[in-house]
Amino acid sequence: DIQMTQSPSSLSASVGDRVTITCRASQSINNYLNWYQQKPGKAPKLLIYAASSLQSGVPSRFSGSGSATDFTLTISSLQPEDFASYYCQQTYSTPLTFGGGTKVEIK
Amino acid sequence: EVQLVESGGGLVQPGGSLRLSCAASGFTFSSYWMHWVRQAPGKGLVWVSRIKSDGSYTSYADSVKGRFTISRDNAKNTLYLQMNSLRAEDTAVYYCATDRGYWFDPWGQGTPVTVSS
Repeated sequence: DIQMTQSPSSLSASVGDRVTITCRASQSINNYLNWYQQKPGKAPKLLIYAASSLQSGVPSRFSGSGSATDFTLTISSLQPEDFASYYCQQTYSTPLTFGGGTKVEIK
Repeated sequence: EVQLVESGGGLVQPGGSLRLSCAASGFTFSSYWMHWVRQAPGKGLVWVSRIKSDGSYTSYADSVKGRFTISRDNAKNTLYLQMNSLRAEDTAVYYCATDRGYWFDPWGQGTPVTVSS
């Protein structure tokens, strides 16, 4: 199974901050890497697919980069509505696996 | 509007069974692979199972293989998850999700399953 390691597991940031979350795969997954945002009590929402493609309707302050084993989700200027948990996901091979999540909290 | 609505969750005793449903609307359900993903209380997301668009292929996480069965009725635009021999560790919110080609969008709102005596 491909292990997805996300870091940090949590972070505190202020509105307007630049935030970076990393995800590392235990083997190369090409660009089969997606990022989701989840707010408490809600379903996950797709932000970035195929490592760097912005999902329609998602603000441009979100961006993704990386390939092979190392990936990054960046929020260029944190907004109040961005306080949530974020998960990476590999869809290169089954079992499909998610990172452990990063909780972004208000500083 | 593209929508997935899960139902069928609830409280069940260990060793019991439950069938979850996921009703799709607003898109051509029969064209897409579908998945079930679960999330235990306070924990992360875990993939459970997937099914091909025509129902001819399925796969499962090792933790549920032999106990859970995914199926679909394309005439009814509905995805199912039959869960047997339930254990306490199956307690979670269960989400269905549409595979748009290696990414999941949209997801349903989730249905909670609690396995407890």
